[in-house]
This record gives sequence, structure tokens and C-alpha cells, in this order.
Amino acid sequence: GAVVSQHPSWVICKSGTSVKIECRSLDFQATTMFWYRQFPKQSLMLMATSNEGSKATYEQGVEKDKFLINHASLTLSTLTVTSAHPEDSSFYICSASGPGSDSGPDTQYFGPGTRLTVL
Amino acid sequence: GNSVTQMEGPVTLSEEAFLTINCTYTATGYPSLFWYVQYPGEGLQLLLKATKADDKGSNKGFEATYRKETTSFHLEKGSVQVSDSAVYFCALRPLSGYSTLTFGKGTMLLVSP
Repeated sequence: GAVVSQHPSWVICKSGTSVKIECRSLDFQATTMFWYRQFPKQSLMLMATSNEGSKATYEQGVEKDKFLINHASLTLSTLTVTSAHPEDSSFYICSASGPGSDSGPDTQYFGPGTRLTVL
Repeated sequence: GNSVTQMEGPVTLSEEAFLTINCTYTATGYPSLFWYVQYPGEGLQLLLKATKADDKGSNKGFEATYRKETTSFHLEKGSVQVSDSAVYFCALRPLSGYSTLTFGKGTMLLVSP
């Protein structure tokens, strides 16, 4: 298998608070994890790429101090949205790739997404 | 740079109709090509993939053939079902090293009974 889970599936928070989203690979070792943001009816925008044990690589225009990514183990990555504001409301999706997944280490498997609403 | 272009949707079909969603790409070398499907409120699921020219990926009745001469990877299904209603994303991954995917904008498919 190649199952990726995310938690929570949805979260509502007040402006100024921080929110942590977890991404887990359940049955394979995720040497690389990706975080995407998706706006309504639009494609996925890659935010950052993280390799286990290393600092994340952020895409141009993504604030690394606002979107903190930690990939401390081969099965878990977290995205923390710090001091969230209404414009951070979005659908956040993680994906993972690594050895032991069905279609090989280069295929990305996606989590179900987390809908964040900042009031 | 790399890019993926998909036909704009929504594509509206009746059940059992034939489906084609066009996808063309721009990339150097021989990228791997993917189709992902996203059902409402969910993340993306890998539908099929092809890693070299003339490969055909297939799954759940869907097929796509990697055509290097036309830089295309069109998605087809002979007879769609209402349950196929979703957004379909074409994507490529460059040959060299990294797993980063480049996505098209997605095509919504609506199938009516």
C-alpha cells in the first residue's frame, strides 16, 4: 500500500493563532514530503519540499517563518501556520514519496487534505 | 521550464459516454507523466502513470498513452459513470533526480445519469 493521512481534516481558528497540521505515511517510509496549497477550483501550488532530517526547501514567495515545516521522522511531517490570518484560509495537502511504496520511490502519494478556515 | 496544459472544463457527459481529457506538456528530456483524480473535498489520488515514451498507463477503465512526438498524455475512458465525476489533474515529473511534480490546472468532469 501507500497510504498518507492528514490530521486534522478541517480546522477553524481565530486570527493570530497558530495551527499545526500533521502528515503521516502509514505503510512506507517517506524520505521526501511535500506541502501544497490549493485555492478553490484551482490547481495545487507547491509550498515546500522536505527531506527527512533536513530543513525544508521553500518555493519562491512562500514565507518560511510563517509556514514552519518539520520532517523529523520517516513517517511524519508537520506544517505549522503561525499567526494565521484570514488570507491563510485554504486547503492544505501533503504528499509523500519514498521506498516501499507501491509504484516506487518517485511517485507521490497524497493525503486527503486539511481545510483551514481562519476567522 | 516545465509546464502542463490541460483542456479547460467543466466537461459534461452523460453516463456511458466516451471521455477524452487532453493534456500536453513542455519539458526537457523524458519526464514521467501522471494523472491524478480529486473527488470533492478530498486529496489527490494517483490514477495512472507512464514513465517512458509509448508507455500506456491504465487503471479503473482509464487509459493514457505517453506520446513524445506530440508531447501529450491524453486521458480516455470508454464509458464513464456518475461516480467518475471529479477533477482530473495531469502532472509531470522531470527525469533528473527530484520528485517535484508540475501540475496542470485540472479539468472538472461532471457525469449525469
